Amino acid sequence: ETGVTQSPTHLIKTRGQQVTLRCSSQSGHNTVSWYQQALGQGPQFIFQYYREEENGRGNFPPRFSGLQFPNYSSELNVNALELDDSALYLCASSLGTGLNTGELFFGEGSRLTVL
Amino acid sequence: AQSVTQLDSQVPVFEEAPVELRCNYSSSVSVYLFWYVQYPNQGLQLLLKYLSGSTLVKGINGFEAEFNKSQTSFHLRKPSVHISDTAEYFCAVRSITDKLIFGTGTRLQVFP
Repeated sequence: ETGVTQSPTHLIKTRGQQVTLRCSSQSGHNTVSWYQQALGQGPQFIFQYYREEENGRGNFPPRFSGLQFPNYSSELNVNALELDDSALYLCASSLGTGLNTGELFFGEGSRLTVL
Repeated sequence: AQSVTQLDSQVPVFEEAPVELRCNYSSSVSVYLFWYVQYPNQGLQLLLKYLSGSTLVKGINGFEAEFNKSQTSFHLRKPSVHISDTAEYFCAVRSITDKLIFGTGTRLQVFP
């Protein structure tokens, strides 16, 4: 059973650029959630995808967008990068949603630095 | 709205001493509560969870937590810590919309 894998592990961008982060969910999981963890803070929920549809969104602007593919892997896209977007981006996969959500399994994250 | 407060940003402790990391939550509905650990440069690992039933929950690595509804608390405890327990610990509540709401974390530093 493979765990949640994220790529890239580290990347550096400049203000105004765009970035795509990738996540492969754990085998058998159909739900992916993305979290942003700024330095010294707890993770903040960005959005969740269930069976290729967005299924909940946190307080993030539209320039944060995502996709989920038929194999349940996922992408997080951030346009027009700002300095405050510098953070660790965590992907978590699970089986099911709502009251039937199983345990969330987190990847090791993608650390984004915006200069 | 649901929220989580971790009362201590840092907890220093000597090896083999007991430790308690404090967590209070606010919620107007039934809650699911979690503790996660984050080692340096790693993702989050689930320590334990409370969904229902017994208020004393046992997790991995010798940790346990007690759900106290009247005090809206879910404190994490370990009777004897090891150097390897040095990490960041996050308390979280799961909302009815399924997202996890995390506290700001407690840095546990274990000294020899």
